[in-house]
Amino acid sequence: ETGVTQTPRHLVMGMTNKKSLKCEQHLGHNAMYWYKQSAKKPLELMFVYNFKEQTENNSVPSRFSPECPNSSHLFLHLHTLQPEDSALYLCASSQDETSSYEQYFGPGTRLTVT
Amino acid sequence: GQNIDQPTEMTATEGAIVQINCTYQTSGFNGLFWYQQHAGEAPTFLSYNVLDGLEEKGRFSSFLSRSKGYSYLLLKELQMKDSASYLCASMDSNYQLIWGAGTKLIIKP
Repeated sequence: ETGVTQTPRHLVMGMTNKKSLKCEQHLGHNAMYWYKQSAKKPLELMFVYNFKEQTENNSVPSRFSPECPNSSHLFLHLHTLQPEDSALYLCASSQDETSSYEQYFGPGTRLTVT
Repeated sequence: GQNIDQPTEMTATEGAIVQINCTYQTSGFNGLFWYQQHAGEAPTFLSYNVLDGLEEKGRFSSFLSRSKGYSYLLLKELQMKDSASYLCASMDSNYQLIWGAGTKLIIKP
């Protein structure tokens, strides 16, 4: 248990579906992150929120839409995805985005787009 | 550009010692992290180095040479549960982590 939870753990969706991934951290952290992890590739940073404000959007397609209603919760809204979007989506949190604090990861959502 | 290189896979024997190397090239440097990730699980933090030298933490040690852009993770007295992927990540000047693709470590009895 890292103090970061993600739901659902597994998701299968068609290209025309709309779904949302949820992340919650119980660590009192101020920064939250979405990463994409594909097999044998480095973790790809997608979005960063610091004190509920989005600070990074690493050229992510608009079919991925993040939402951070408060410092403890982070969502990733998905619509009209492509098969190449199938991957493990990891949420992480850290004390602050602007310091060298370690990040704590959730268990991830394994997404399959059919 | 920013780049992290580490071996794709390594094999070692239970009870032995293994060293996993990582070279990095990032825009600025705010430290080098190592994470462990078991199959199907979240990455978990192992170590952080920002100054040159060796940091020891139980059976695991991590080394950093900033002038060479080089780090290694040393695992001693290997146990079967150490079979996992080990991720190297360098923190750049914007405090963003630049990740390697990970080294899959296979431990054999």
